[in-house]
Amino acid sequence: DAKTTQPTSMDCAEGRAANLPCNHSTISGNEYVYWYRQIHSQGPQYIIHGLKNNETNEMASLIITEDRKSSTLILPHATLRDTAVYYCIVRVRSSNTGKLIFGQGTTLQVKP
Amino acid sequence: EPEVTQTPSHQVTQMGQEVILRCVPISNHLYFYWYRQILGQKVEFLVSFYNNEISEKSEIFDDQFSVERPDGSNFTLKIRSTKLEDSAMYFCARSPDGSYEQYFGPGTRLTVT
Repeated sequence: DAKTTQPTSMDCAEGRAANLPCNHSTISGNEYVYWYRQIHSQGPQYIIHGLKNNETNEMASLIITEDRKSSTLILPHATLRDTAVYYCIVRVRSSNTGKLIFGQGTTLQVKP
Repeated sequence: EPEVTQTPSHQVTQMGQEVILRCVPISNHLYFYWYRQILGQKVEFLVSFYNNEISEKSEIFDDQFSVERPDGSNFTLKIRSTKLEDSAMYFCARSPDGSYEQYFGPGTRLTVT
């Protein structure tokens, strides 16, 4: 699986959009970008994933650059409950390689 | 989002004792995983389990660890002889298919004294 690079920490004002970047310059054509988050000591929570098109769900939007070497997770209106560690993970979407490799992630602090 | 449950929420055990951690499956989820997170460190993959057998395991998953679905329901992680360094949060995760997103449980905090 390709390596990802994320900033260690970020702050965001409550109600504003939180934009979390991720670099994955060695991503392969069949690798997807997944985002998970972990709210203090809880189990990681799936947020969104994508291959090359931008994706949106009820939690967030995922913007992937055209060359697929980086992506941005957008929380459109951050709340205090979005304070968490956010993980960008790149992996092949195959039933034989289900494991997730977590890095250090980005600690997002949403401030009032 | 499918709910994953794990029992117990907290387990305290003495070094050298055996512990069994349990995960309650969702009926249509076929893939199971165990991860652990030592305090202040990354979430680490331990093992994946499909069709009643291990499909992949990490270097951490040595001979003292085992997994099974003894009655086709609960998915268990057994640590035969616990060590101090086994103290961690242990998370179970499930997926309907290895290619889909994984749903994590709230974890079991294991404390080895």
